[in-house]
Amino acid sequence: EIVLTQSPGTLSLSPGDRATLSCRASQSVSSNYLAWYQQKPGQAPRLLISGATSRATGIPDRFSGSGSGTDFTLTISRLEPEDFAVYYCQQYGSSPSTFGPGTKVDIK
Amino acid sequence: EVQLVESGGGLVKPGGSLRLSCAASGFTLTGYSLSWVRQAPGKGLEWVSSISSSTRYIFYADSLQGRFTISRDNAKNSLYLQMNSLRAEDTAVYYCARVFPQQLVQGAFDYWGQGTLVTVSS
Repeated sequence: EIVLTQSPGTLSLSPGDRATLSCRASQSVSSNYLAWYQQKPGQAPRLLISGATSRATGIPDRFSGSGSGTDFTLTISRLEPEDFAVYYCQQYGSSPSTFGPGTKVDIK
Repeated sequence: EVQLVESGGGLVKPGGSLRLSCAASGFTLTGYSLSWVRQAPGKGLEWVSSISSSTRYIFYADSLQGRFTISRDNAKNSLYLQMNSLRAEDTAVYYCARVFPQQLVQGAFDYWGQGTLVTVSS
């Protein structure tokens, strides 16, 4: 199975900062089938990005995804107070689908 | 509005069984594959199982070792997960989720329920 590694484990930033989150796969992700989710405490995850670069419905354009093959990035251009959360990447190009361990973005 | 509402969680003893349900509304169920994803307390997300719209394709995580069975009833707009021989490590919040895009059986998840907690403990 494809193992996803996310870095850093925790990112401490201030509102207005730019956040860059990394997701690295142990093998190439087929068709760049890589998704990003945001999860806040006590809530279900929310889809942000699918297909490595496509924003989901209703997601603000400060969220962007990039990358291909084994290296992917989620960028939040300017952090809003509601963006402090845990972010997971998921690959669905190979079975079984797998998730990364998450990156926590907290307030500095 | 798309809604997924899970039910059926609770406290069960090791070796016991539980059946989770997920009621879907706001979309045509027959057009989508559905999945179960779980999250142990304080841990990350783990895909559990997926089922295609026609039930022709069904997938499970290897870690389940044949103990869980996914099913759906499109006429009742419902998804199910029968869990047998439960272990302490199955303790988690179980989410049902809609698969995106529609043509995939194992895909991203664009809508999620609020989750139902399963606790396996003596």
